[in-house]
Amino acid sequence: GENVEQHPSTLSVQEGDSAVIKCTYSDSASNYFPWYKQELGKGPQLIIDIRSNVGEKKDQRIAVTLNKTAKHFSLHITETQPEDSAVYFCAASTWGSQGNLIFGKGTKLSVKP
Amino acid sequence: GAGVSQSPSNKVTEKGKDVELRCDPISGHTALYWYRQSLGQGLEFLIYFQGNSAPDKSGLPSDRFSAERTGGSVSTLTIQRTQQEDSAVYLCASSLAGGADTQYFGPGTRLTVL
Repeated sequence: GENVEQHPSTLSVQEGDSAVIKCTYSDSASNYFPWYKQELGKGPQLIIDIRSNVGEKKDQRIAVTLNKTAKHFSLHITETQPEDSAVYFCAASTWGSQGNLIFGKGTKLSVKP
Repeated sequence: GAGVSQSPSNKVTEKGKDVELRCDPISGHTALYWYRQSLGQGLEFLIYFQGNSAPDKSGLPSDRFSAERTGGSVSTLTIQRTQQEDSAVYLCASSLAGGADTQYFGPGTRLTVL
């Protein structure tokens, strides 16, 4: 089955710097890759996603890139702000009609003011 | 609009007791998922419902876990004879039609088994 590896497990940056989180997946049939942000005591919230028919997607300060050949995808956050501090999860969707997500272990991002 | 809601937000129980966790998906969403989030294990898929089809139970960790979805809307996850290793946050998500549709998560139920 699908396996998703996420790195780093913790990341600390200064406010205004960029942050990059990387994930690799094992199942070449996976075709949907969302990123979720989880704040303490809350459920995961989708921040951006990408499907396998595109290589990059941007939404203001957030971007995701996908390399299908290498089976890895990355989250890029520019001009980080203290409110970006949270745990970020990448995920991959297994092929087929169900779509149950296989998650990475998460990255705890701390943005220092 | 209203998002996914879950109740209770916290549940403390004694080992061996049964518990029921409830999920109200977003209105109109036909797909509903349960996940478990525990320290060191990340987010694990448990069960998936799509419309009136038979659920995919392939992620349930043991036969003590079961779930149902009544009328294609509200879902209940039941854990019988709870064990300490069942302590975790149980998350529910719904999507419009399953597949690669965006999944929206509820706030979760934190279960503590003493």
